[in-house]
Amino acid sequence: SAVISQKPSRDICQRGTSLTIQCQVDSQVTMMFWYRQQPGQSLTLIATANQGSEATYESGFVIDKFPISRPNLTFSTLTVSNMSPEDSSIYLCSGQGIRWGNTGELFFGEGSRLTVL
Amino acid sequence: GENVEQHPSTLSVQEGDSAVIKCTYSDSASNYFPWYKQELGKGPQLIIDIRSNVGEKKDQRIAVTLNKTAKHFSLHITETQPEDSAVYFCAASAYSGAGSYQLTFGKGTKLSVIP
Repeated sequence: SAVISQKPSRDICQRGTSLTIQCQVDSQVTMMFWYRQQPGQSLTLIATANQGSEATYESGFVIDKFPISRPNLTFSTLTVSNMSPEDSSIYLCSGQGIRWGNTGELFFGEGSRLTVL
Repeated sequence: GENVEQHPSTLSVQEGDSAVIKCTYSDSASNYFPWYKQELGKGPQLIIDIRSNVGEKKDQRIAVTLNKTAKHFSLHITETQPEDSAVYFCAASAYSGAGSYQLTFGKGTKLSVIP
């Protein structure tokens, strides 16, 4: 399976500030995704991170709030902008890999737990 | 879009007993059904998956069954152990090209195995 590293693993942030989460995978992947998991809840897809182009956002998520970069196949960042307490969540990076023969298996990082005060 | 329902939301079993978690999906085009285990403070871990051309798949104490006609699939854990205690998520997806499946997740089942 893939190794997906995220940092920071957790942070406490002040209202109105922004935080960038970094995600590194250990092998080439075709797709990278960012998910949000609110406390005790399921996983909600924020966006698909596209290499070298703008991310594809799901309904309810916008680029101004969650800008995403993916400069190469194995690295992506998610920024949570102008944070409010409602943004307190676990943010998860995930990847699907060509290394696994296009099987579609999706692997997750350990998540970044953000608390906004 | 796809909708995945998962039941039960919580499940307690005695160590050594079996646990069964059930999911239903709405989109008949879905053809890939993974299951994830999430331990406290960790990311979801893929434990088993099944594709629509298969009715059942086993991996040691874990098995998954799929009924495409009824649009439901289930996770079966036999001889449960305390380390099986976690939140389990089912998901469903259709292949969207270029090696990509976009998953829709169920709401999760918190499994507690009582020693």
